[in-house]
Amino acid sequence: QKEVEQNSGPLSVPEGAIASLNCTYSDRVSQSFFWYRQYSGKSPELIMSIYSNGDKEDGRFTAQLNKASQYVSLLIRDSQPSDSATYLCAALVPPSNYQLIWGAGTKLIIKP
Amino acid sequence: GAVVSQHPSRVICKSGTSVKIECRSLDFQATTMFWYRQFPKQSLMLMATSNEGSKATYEQGVEKDKFLINHASLTLSTLTVTSAHPEDSSFYICSAYSGGLSYEQYFGPGTRLTVT
Repeated sequence: QKEVEQNSGPLSVPEGAIASLNCTYSDRVSQSFFWYRQYSGKSPELIMSIYSNGDKEDGRFTAQLNKASQYVSLLIRDSQPSDSATYLCAALVPPSNYQLIWGAGTKLIIKP
Repeated sequence: GAVVSQHPSRVICKSGTSVKIECRSLDFQATTMFWYRQFPKQSLMLMATSNEGSKATYEQGVEKDKFLINHASLTLSTLTVTSAHPEDSSFYICSAYSGGLSYEQYFGPGTRLTVT
């Protein structure tokens, strides 16, 4: 069974520090990976997508992909209280009609 | 990013009635739309996948006669909850995929359904 796993948390990080969120996946044919942020009571919002091994940076966010080890991570630099949310990791596993396999999410709390 | 709207954002209905939720892609054409349900403090649960002009594909355990999905155009999909019951109360969210090589899905803001 294809799975995406995340630590549910909560992960507590002091304001200004780096928050590190991790995700592992079971299917080696997974090609595309996504990080979404979901605030309580709201729908998910796409933060980053990553397709190739290595790092991808966008502002304070860096996604890292290691296909050999089957993990994806998201780093948030200079964490702010507004970053407090649940972060969802998702993988596209072909053939899937573009469906994503979702992790359960990691709750991140940034403490002022 | 691409914009997806959902209407209504919140609806309260009586048990036994039907409710229609609309999902629109505002600035792109969505070849595929997805409908999710999320109960409080739980993860997203995919209900069905719909492609424009064809029948929706439902996930195991989701009643297709209860949750009617129509994807009549490249910018509109609707979910109708028929004969709603209190246990159908949930947060319903749609997402849309444009068909590009990025495979990114964009979510609507969600519809909170309460059945009394």
